Amino acid sequence: DQQVKQNSPSLSVQEGRISILNCDYTNSMFDYFLWYKKYPAEGPTFLISISSIKDKNEDGRFTVFLNKSAKHLSLHIVPSQPGDSAVYFCAASWPGGSYIPTFGRGTSLIVHP
Amino acid sequence: DAGVIQSPRHEVTEMGQEVTLRCKPISGHNSLFWYRQTMMRGLELLIYFNNNVPIDDSGMPEDRFSAKMPNASFSTLKIQPSEPRDSAVYFCASSLAIRDTQYFGPGTRLTVL
Repeated sequence: DQQVKQNSPSLSVQEGRISILNCDYTNSMFDYFLWYKKYPAEGPTFLISISSIKDKNEDGRFTVFLNKSAKHLSLHIVPSQPGDSAVYFCAASWPGGSYIPTFGRGTSLIVHP
Repeated sequence: DAGVIQSPRHEVTEMGQEVTLRCKPISGHNSLFWYRQTMMRGLELLIYFNNNVPIDDSGMPEDRFSAKMPNASFSTLKIQPSEPRDSAVYFCASSLAIRDTQYFGPGTRLTVL
């Protein structure tokens, strides 16, 4: 049973436009959320995170939004660049799980020039 | 500083053979994690160690899987005997402490024929 769900396996966006990657979770105890980015033939790398005490965290072109009531978070990339083409993993953690992240299946983002 | 090192990068073997995957964590990191990535299940945590001690191996799929960490700079994941359904990418990750950001290695792509 997937506790972290990324229901869109892929997303295609034009360069310069906004990319929005979505993630839903079922465990209401999750209180820390992360996004990882993965290029082919490489391991995932940490991108951005958000604590449940916030509803938004921004880092340059990347912003993560958290809607606790809906158990939903999203990653916005503005503007999208071809170098952003990668697989994005959403992950969530909580104290009862020793804050070890539970990952979703990933969304493959393709940014077209 | 070198990141997490995994070997081999690719492994092709026949069903029934023993497979050993290796990982060298980042120096100074006290926690080490083994993950498996498949299309169907995404990134699954198999086992993790803290200070070389296995803490939770509940993600190990079967007794055919075993992992060791004989010292702070080396860990192995062994599959014996291997089966075609074990084909996946196996990642090793390390972190300063259990709840800290994980740094992933490049992965080992395992194919069992």
